[in-house]
Amino acid sequence: DADVTQTPRNRITKTGKRIMLECSQTKGHDRMYWYRQDPGLGLQLIYYSFDVKDINKGEISDGYSVSRQAQAKFSLSLESAIPNQTALYFCAPERNEQFFGPGTRLTVL
Amino acid sequence: GQNIDQPTEMTATEGAIVQINCTYQTSGFNGLFWYQQHAGEAPTFLSYNVLDGLEEKGRFSSFLSRSKGYSYLLLKELQMKDSASYLCAVLDSNYQLIWGAGTKLIIKP
Repeated sequence: DADVTQTPRNRITKTGKRIMLECSQTKGHDRMYWYRQDPGLGLQLIYYSFDVKDINKGEISDGYSVSRQAQAKFSLSLESAIPNQTALYFCAPERNEQFFGPGTRLTVL
Repeated sequence: GQNIDQPTEMTATEGAIVQINCTYQTSGFNGLFWYQQHAGEAPTFLSYNVLDGLEEKGRFSSFLSRSKGYSYLLLKELQMKDSASYLCAVLDSNYQLIWGAGTKLIIKP
């Protein structure tokens, strides 16, 4: 969806490094989600936020943290990246249906 | 636990019809979504069902039976561009989306 931006689109990093993935949306949606997707697996929810002051853990939050800087911005951080965090990461603002950002392909060596 | 089941892979012929099934067991139900995802791209919204019955949208239709915990996505007049993964997702009682692993649809000429 052109109204959802994720940066970077691709990133290769080393084990132990701190990484931040950024997401911004122009739709004005209060609810935002971060997912990871591994080959052959469904989308797994990492964190979600219903508004700037409301942050909730998803099913696989360990090793991740988030920041909701504004209604339009929701960042995901990997404090100390590990190889099994190699995946495709999607940000998804939501109002009734989820609109997905283009994704960030992260490789941790 | 919560569970969404759909076939891993299906093959169909260009111009034909294919039905992709989804069964679910979730804590509560607030609607079922179908998304299409081309390889390496973000999922895009196809349909939303919250009441029993068939919803038709062009070549795509989606059916829901809440009593059976069952849905299907019907694709008619298949085109090569329909080759993609199709994701089934259920909105549970906490308004969280529970995702199936997706069905990879291969279209042959």
